[in-house]
Amino acid sequence: QVQLQQSGPGLVKPSQTLSLTCAISGDSVSSSSAAWNWIRQSPSRGLECLGRTYYRSKWYNDYAVSVKGRITINPDTSKNQFSLQLNSVTPEDTAIYYCARGGWGSGAFDIWGQGTMVIVSS
Amino acid sequence: DIQMTQSPSSVSASVGDRVTITCRASQGIGSWLTWYQQKPGKAPKVLIYAASSLQSGVPSRFSGSGSGTDFTLTISSLQPEDFATYSCQQANSFPWTFGQGTKVDFK
Repeated sequence: QVQLQQSGPGLVKPSQTLSLTCAISGDSVSSSSAAWNWIRQSPSRGLECLGRTYYRSKWYNDYAVSVKGRITINPDTSKNQFSLQLNSVTPEDTAIYYCARGGWGSGAFDIWGQGTMVIVSS
Repeated sequence: DIQMTQSPSSVSASVGDRVTITCRASQGIGSWLTWYQQKPGKAPKVLIYAASSLQSGVPSRFSGSGSGTDFTLTISSLQPEDFATYSCQQANSFPWTFGQGTKVDFK
């Protein structure tokens, strides 16, 4: 079955870069039937979709306005994974970060990673 | 962004009760509505997609209805394992946005 395995540090200093990776098994990052998303959850902001990457003859990225300019999501076809980089973090970026598969047909985030609690603190 | 508003924010219920949660979109989203269940320390789990389609493996006591801007999740007979937080999410336009969640706890 499809599984997503997240990795990356749980503590990031203010003004530095948050970096997480999501390894995919049982599906392909190049799949035409899905987009690969990063979502975060915090008590103040709830569940928030940060952005996605997907392949439709070429690679596309979409980013939420709230993090645009600070975020990069990259696919890695050689390792069948995708990554999140969020620059210039502040304590407001403290949250649980999830990767998730978004199905074009269902409109649902149907497969989720295990989640990574990221704390922004010096 | 499309805003999703759930009500109530919390509900106290007993085993066997019928529970109804509503979700309203700030603009029409057709049937691009998903319902999730989330338990503490876990990622959300899909219950209903496309407003009324039951995800494989989800008990039939869960059902969804609605289209356009108004949607409903119904649990016909609450079971002990159903005490959790429920969220809606739209996929009509990016970013796919979530409601704020409804916590179902013991009366």
